[in-house]
Amino acid sequence: GQNIDQPTEMTATEGAIVQINCTYQTSGFNGLFWYQQHAGEAPTFLSYNVLDGLEEKGRFSSFLSRSKGYSYLLLKELQMKDSASYLCAVRDEVTGGGNKLTFGTGTQLKVEL
Amino acid sequence: KAGVTQTPRYLIKTRGQQVTLSCSPISGHRSVSWYQQTPGQGLQFLFEYFSETQRNKGNFPGRFSGRQFSNSRSEMNVSTLELGDSALYLCASSLDRGLSYEQYFGPGTRLTVT
Repeated sequence: GQNIDQPTEMTATEGAIVQINCTYQTSGFNGLFWYQQHAGEAPTFLSYNVLDGLEEKGRFSSFLSRSKGYSYLLLKELQMKDSASYLCAVRDEVTGGGNKLTFGTGTQLKVEL
Repeated sequence: KAGVTQTPRYLIKTRGQQVTLSCSPISGHRSVSWYQQTPGQGLQFLFEYFSETQRNKGNFPGRFSGRQFSNSRSEMNVSTLELGDSALYLCASSLDRGLSYEQYFGPGTRLTVT
């Protein structure tokens, strides 16, 4: 099975940088996703890491260390619209492949002026 | 390209009844996964269908079932509804080809069981 931990809440200032951490303990690992979910809306895909290292996409970057069971999502130049829940999800290694994701409970980010 | 669509968007049912939810994936996507989202448990994986076959299954009771049609549209069914089944049910589709594993979520069906 999978156990995923991420902070429940974080607060940051507009224009600043924030790092949201995610640690996982898994019986199998086949990649890690980050999703953003605004209240009342569906999750939207942000990033997918399967190899160690940093992936950068505009203001968003995601890092993975498989040996440490650790990932983070880095958000730069924060905007008010970045206030949302950020979900870390591990893609299980399953026989036959496919998509079986285990999600963390999400980190609620509040961006303030 | 149209996104993932789910119908109905809202549903109110009574304990003991059954319900069927529908999901139409993005055109060309062959994998459809279903998730239950509640405030207490977060997003939990129900099952995944690929080429009309259930490829992966989560830890939900047999009251939860699904199927996929030849056009990749999927339905999930919950029988003998319980109060605890009240949740947002999300489906997600994936191209599932090469290294493209990102899932695109639909808007969800909000189910309330009274």
